[in-house]
Amino acid sequence: NAGVTQTPKFQVLKTGQSMTLQCAQDMNHNSMYWYRQDPGMGLRLIYYSASEGTTDKGEVPNGYNVSRLNKREFSLRLESAAPSQTSVYFCASTRTSGGIGELFFGEGSRLTVL
Amino acid sequence: GESVGLHLPTLSVQEGDNSIINCAYSNSASDYFIWYKQESGKGPQFIIDIRSNMDKRQGQRVTVLLNKTVKHLSLQIAATQPGDSAVYFCAENPRNAGNMLTFGGGTRLMVKP
Repeated sequence: NAGVTQTPKFQVLKTGQSMTLQCAQDMNHNSMYWYRQDPGMGLRLIYYSASEGTTDKGEVPNGYNVSRLNKREFSLRLESAAPSQTSVYFCASTRTSGGIGELFFGEGSRLTVL
Repeated sequence: GESVGLHLPTLSVQEGDNSIINCAYSNSASDYFIWYKQESGKGPQFIIDIRSNMDKRQGQRVTVLLNKTVKHLSLQIAATQPGDSAVYFCAENPRNAGNMLTFGGGTRLMVKP
């Protein structure tokens, strides 16, 4: 049982380039999330999808877009990367859609924007 | 603003001792709290949670205490082991925030053999 799988694990971009971070979960969870984690800071919510077909902004959505492709997959897109987006990105999922339950996290995607 | 914070950025304990990691929160509307453990190079892992209608909850070797009067949350780890070395985050879910969690900055726990 793989849980939450993120790709790629590492990526280096130049300023202005675009890329998509992929996330898939095999636990039949309803809700999925994208967080970023910067050094010395906690996780900050970028976007989330409470259920298939819905997406909502989190705390730091600027510069990002998301797509809930189906119940399993939730992608995060950077249209024009900036150095301020250098961070570790975590995807997470949870069964409940009516309120927070236990979040299951992926291993993270480390992004560097030069 | 509303925030979740931690008193100690680094905690060093002797193997076998008990550890206490503290967390202060400022949003009185929060009704659900979670502790996560993050090992180096990995994603956060759920440890234990507690709802605001409780003041204590126990798991295996871990206990979470909630003091709503002073908006304080703590994680107690009994008989700390080297495998407990990690960064620990508390997180809160305000009652009107849907599925959004607010995370604190983290405390690094270092276990000395």
